[in-house]
Amino acid sequence: GAVVSQHPSRVICKSGTSVKIECRSLDFQATTMFWYRQFPKKSLMLMATSNEGSKATYEQGVEKDKFLINHASLTLSTLTVTSAHPEDSSFYICSARESAGVGTDTQYFGPGTRLTVL
Amino acid sequence: AQKITQTQPGMFVQEKEAVTLDCTYDTSDQSYGLFWYKQPSSGEMIFLIYQGSYDEQNATEGRYSLNFQKARKSANLVISASQLGDSAMYFCAMREHQTGANNLFFGTGTRLTVIP
Repeated sequence: GAVVSQHPSRVICKSGTSVKIECRSLDFQATTMFWYRQFPKKSLMLMATSNEGSKATYEQGVEKDKFLINHASLTLSTLTVTSAHPEDSSFYICSARESAGVGTDTQYFGPGTRLTVL
Repeated sequence: AQKITQTQPGMFVQEKEAVTLDCTYDTSDQSYGLFWYKQPSSGEMIFLIYQGSYDEQNATEGRYSLNFQKARKSANLVISASQLGDSAMYFCAMREHQTGANNLFFGTGTRLTVIP
């Protein structure tokens, strides 16, 4: 299947700093990329949807100024957690979708990034 | 209302036996897709199987099969001949093709433990 990578896999930072997480589709072009957040033993919560070259669409309750998403190319999307606080500590997972159309448009997930804010 | 409901927080199965993980969904769209993902303790989400709402046959992928009952709005995952490596969280998800968001709606997951 298609491969999506995320970097870094784990990051620990001090409160108040910004952290950038990269998501890359390695063997396909991703017209749409998604960012999810997962709390321990919970399901995935969609944070935002980004389409290449346009602004991300954020889900209700997600602060767009805090979670900056850039989808500069068909293979790369970045999530920047600005001025991180301990409550931002979580597991962040990106996913990429190969086709903008309907059908068997499977979403492939990255391996996730565990963020710990001290 | 929850779009995806997984009522089994945890399931146990003996190695080599089959197990069914339940999933029901709620949508008014006529066209939608149903997915199952596996999440091992390492955290990555692994795509297992897909069923389109218009697919007449149940999807199968190796040891995975999806028991799709459209009238009941259920899409249960059947894992045959369970292996120790099948122990993981399993998430059912749905994408609605008409009402639009591109995103997947996830259930709360079922933790499967395979007993040797």
